[in-house]
Amino acid sequence: AVQMTQFPSSLSASIGDRVTITCRASQGIRNDLGWYQVKPGKAPKVLIYDASTLQSGVPSRFSGRGSGTDFTLTISSLQPEDSATYYCLQDYQYPRTFGQGTKVEIK
Amino acid sequence: QEQLVESGGGVVQPGTSLRLSCAASGFTFNNYGVHWVRQPPGKGLEWVAVTSHDGGKNYYGDSVKGRFATSRDNSKNTVFLQMDSLRVEDTAIYYCARDATALAVTGFFDLWGQGTLVTVSS
Repeated sequence: AVQMTQFPSSLSASIGDRVTITCRASQGIRNDLGWYQVKPGKAPKVLIYDASTLQSGVPSRFSGRGSGTDFTLTISSLQPEDSATYYCLQDYQYPRTFGQGTKVEIK
Repeated sequence: QEQLVESGGGVVQPGTSLRLSCAASGFTFNNYGVHWVRQPPGKGLEWVAVTSHDGGKNYYGDSVKGRFATSRDNSKNTVFLQMDSLRVEDTAIYYCARDATALAVTGFFDLWGQGTLVTVSS
């Protein structure tokens, strides 16, 4: 199975800061990666798919980059509503595998 | 309005069975595969299983293979997750999620339900 290593596991940043989360795959997965936002008590939500395509309705401060084994999710200007846990997910092969998650807190 | 609604969660004892349902509305259900994803309390997301748009292809995570089975009834717009030989470590919120790719199970998850809680405890 493809292993997804995500880091950092948590971070604390101020409103307006630029935040970057990284996922590394144990083998090449082309650009078959998505980023998901999870808030307590709410359904998870896709932010980015195919590594860099912004899902409809998602604010443009979210962006994704990468291909092969290394991927990043960047929030260009952190907002209060971005407090959540973020996960990467590879859809290259089965079984699908998530990263361990990154909890983003607002200072 | 496109929607997925899970049901069937509850408290059960180890070794017993439970069947979850995921009811869909607002879209052409028989065009899309449906995944199951779970989140144990205080832990991260884990992919569990998927059934293709016609039920012809089903895949499972290693931790549930041989114990869980997913199926669907397209006449009722519903997907099921049959969970047998339940273990304490199966305790989690279970979500169903739509595969974004029509007629395939190769895409990201573009629509999620709110989840149903399964607690396995003696």
